[in-house]
Amino acid sequence: EIVLTQSPATLSLSPGERATLSCRASQSVASHLAWYQQMPGQAPRLLIYDTSNRATGIPARFSGSGSGTDFTLTISSLEPEDFAVYYCQQRSNWPLTFGGGTRVEIK
Amino acid sequence: QVQLQESGPGLVKPLETLSLTCTVSGGSINSRDYYWAWVRQHPGKGPEWIGYIFYSGGTYYNEFLESRVTMSLDTSKNQFSLKLTSVSAADTAVYYCARVLRSGCSGGNCYYFDHWGQGTLVTVSS
Repeated sequence: EIVLTQSPATLSLSPGERATLSCRASQSVASHLAWYQQMPGQAPRLLIYDTSNRATGIPARFSGSGSGTDFTLTISSLEPEDFAVYYCQQRSNWPLTFGGGTRVEIK
Repeated sequence: QVQLQESGPGLVKPLETLSLTCTVSGGSINSRDYYWAWVRQHPGKGPEWIGYIFYSGGTYYNEFLESRVTMSLDTSKNQFSLKLTSVSAADTAVYYCARVLRSGCSGGNCYYFDHWGQGTLVTVSS
């Protein structure tokens, strides 16, 4: 099983600041990585797929980069609705796996 | 806009079978373009993929749960279902049904979850 390790566990930032979230895979997943946002009490929402492709309706302030084992989700300027938990997910190997999450909280 | 809705008991006794159904609206499960999946999430943890089913009835399960999982679908009702046998407290979680993209990605099937139900908490307790 591919283990996805996300860091930091918690990111404390203010609205308008830039957020940089990391996801590291235990072995290469090529570009086959997605990012999800989860608000409290809600289901995850697909943000980015295959490393850098924004899903339908996702604002341009969300961007993804990386390849192999190291990936980054960047939120260029945090809006109030962006404070949430973010998960990465790989599709390169079975079983499909998710990371443990990064919480972006208001500083 | 496709919507998914889980239904089923919120409380299951240890060693019994957890049974959930997902009703899909706004789109047909009888489609080659998607898989239909179950995902669970323990409190404070990342999601865990349980398995998926295709419109043909073909299934693929997470090997860690495979011996206890069965998925099925009812195209006449636009529903798919999950059964998890011999449950324990470790199976207490929020269970989500989700649609899985098949196409539009590099190198073949996507296997990303683009629509989710709201989730249902299942507690295993006597």
